[in-house]
Amino acid sequence: ETGVTQTPRHLVMGMTNKKSLKCEQHLGHNAMYWYKQSAKKPLELMFVYSLEERVENNSVPSRFSPECPNSSHLFLHLHTLQPEDSALYLCASSQEQRLGPLHFGNGTRLTVT
Amino acid sequence: GDSVTQMEGPVTLSEEAFLTINCTYTATGYPSLFWYVQYPGEGLQLLLKATKADDKGSNKGFEATYRKETTSFHLEKGSVQVSDSAVYFCALSDPNSGGSNYKLTFGKGTLLTVNP
Repeated sequence: ETGVTQTPRHLVMGMTNKKSLKCEQHLGHNAMYWYKQSAKKPLELMFVYSLEERVENNSVPSRFSPECPNSSHLFLHLHTLQPEDSALYLCASSQEQRLGPLHFGNGTRLTVT
Repeated sequence: GDSVTQMEGPVTLSEEAFLTINCTYTATGYPSLFWYVQYPGEGLQLLLKATKADDKGSNKGFEATYRKETTSFHLEKGSVQVSDSAVYFCALSDPNSGGSNYKLTFGKGTLLTVNP
């Protein structure tokens, strides 16, 4: 496999559920990101991990919890979400030191009912 | 803070028409500028970039020139194809914000539809 892979592609969950989004990159990059994409709004950076340490958290609600166990894997744990959290969640990776371009996965379309 | 403003979409063109998508920015330093494209059902991918004033980025027939005097980075293509239908995002990375990719600021995106 190559590139950035996200699973699942689609997820429907109730407000009381707990679920996790998974991202895996096979590019040898050392930085990984979670973005939220909502209709008619700019991409929102949620979390950044560089060398497996969190370096950025843009005031994201605690119902979103990231985990980066190694440089190839990134998770976003979800619990007690709200309907307004419905969006496309995009994972990306990059080679931080070379300021290379972001490589995005195809996203997980999340619907909170 | 940094910001990127793109022209409102959607933009609908016929095949072989000329395309311009306007993008202007505000930044405290001398940013690098990017255009990303998102095809239906996919994530974003880098289309082109420019890292200093007067640089021209180009790829797949698309071009954009870094204009510091007008703080603009408009995307152009001379003859669009149906396969160019996608959402286009302008973005900047401002070194004064700490540099690095995670300081990318994106515009809202412009939906382009090209009809045969």
